[in-house]
Amino acid sequence: GESVGLHLPTLSVQEGDNSIINCAYSNSASDYFIWYKQESGKGPQFIIDIRSNMDKRQGQRVTVLLNKTVKHLSLQIAATQPGDSAVYFCAENNRGSQGNLIFGKGTKLSVKP
Amino acid sequence: DAGITQSPRHKVTETGTPVTLRCHQTENHRYMYWYRQDPGHGLRLIHYSYGVKDTDKGEVSDGYSVSRSKTEDFLLTLESATSSQTSVYFCAISAGTPNYGYTFGSGTRLTVV
Repeated sequence: GESVGLHLPTLSVQEGDNSIINCAYSNSASDYFIWYKQESGKGPQFIIDIRSNMDKRQGQRVTVLLNKTVKHLSLQIAATQPGDSAVYFCAENNRGSQGNLIFGKGTKLSVKP
Repeated sequence: DAGITQSPRHKVTETGTPVTLRCHQTENHRYMYWYRQDPGHGLRLIHYSYGVKDTDKGEVSDGYSVSRSKTEDFLLTLESATSSQTSVYFCAISAGTPNYGYTFGSGTRLTVV
């Protein structure tokens, strides 16, 4: 629930602005990455994924960018809406553990109307 | 969350009592996972299953056991609950690994008093 957002970095944006959420991943051998959105009191929801043979992938209002050189992933949300307020997690596959996903701790996005 | 159900949604139990959480899926996915989510720690893998009767430990498996007697059900048991196991527990399913995303359930909020 609401406790998910405690202790997390927070990004505050104005409604209608673009949001950029960043994530540094740990394993240079990871080749699959996902962004999840978690609203208060709910489970994480899949937003978009990207494989390591791509640098960029676009969805509806969202774009994921992958920079393998510096092990960095970003999620861009265009025209941010109040409904985008949530905690956002990146995840990478863990080649060393049956391919299980490893999750980042998340960023809390707060959209001001 | 389509195709995955967790029960109960909320539970309060006393220290030292056994507790079982249930995850049920209708997607016929091979992989199932149990995570706990705590402020400051993000999602941490407790146990996972890669088939009926095939399970393995995650990073925080101490004090927990699991069972999977059929494809659709994955049970998480706290043999003797402790206050440190107060958390929100999420079940997730996946069609494969490593390049498949997870679908999460709505979570179980467990309080051990």
